[in-house]
Amino acid sequence: KNQVEQSPQSLIILEGKNCTLQCNYTVSPFSNLRWYKQDTGRGPVSLTIMTFSENTKSNGRYTATLDADTKQSSLHITASQLSDSASYICVVSVRNQGGKLIFGQGTELSVKP
Amino acid sequence: DSGVTQTPKHLITATGQRVTLRCSPRSGDLSVYWYQQSLDQGLQFLIQYYNGEERAKGNILERFSAQQFPDLHSELNLSSLELGDSALYFCASSVEGHLTEAFFGQGTRLTVV
Repeated sequence: KNQVEQSPQSLIILEGKNCTLQCNYTVSPFSNLRWYKQDTGRGPVSLTIMTFSENTKSNGRYTATLDADTKQSSLHITASQLSDSASYICVVSVRNQGGKLIFGQGTELSVKP
Repeated sequence: DSGVTQTPKHLITATGQRVTLRCSPRSGDLSVYWYQQSLDQGLQFLIQYYNGEERAKGNILERFSAQQFPDLHSELNLSSLELGDSALYFCASSVEGHLTEAFFGQGTRLTVV
């Protein structure tokens, strides 16, 4: 069964600190892995998208890694800001299924002053 | 602004009724996806259209249907509404399927009373 699992479910950090969110997937055949940020009540916004051959990709203070062998990904946030408070969703795209996306449940990040 | 437009933003209706949600994809995007997000739940894939044709189906109820028109806009029809159908409904679009970035609209918040 195609699944994406994220940990932790929620996280509270102080402003300025770094954090790392985890994503494990059992999706086959794998096409690519995406990280989205979703503010409450808003549509998800893409942070990174990585294919099988990419190990790391950065977008400002966000750095995603992908280990296709262990089927794990992480999202590292550097020097967190209050505006980073949101849900971070790991999404894996299934090859040969017309672009079907498998969503994780998300990690709820709260950055406190 | 993702370029994906959803209308209406909010909808309140009674049980047993039927509603239509509308999505205009980004200019040039051929794929449209529909997702349901219930309170405190992850995004659930409903259905995907590509250039007018249904391409992938997820956990879409038989009471729900969708279509993509020649101008590429899409509509999601929800009928015989139940209280449990109250949720945020998101539309996303992408140029193609699994290889390309998906951009999300701001969602339609449906409340069934």
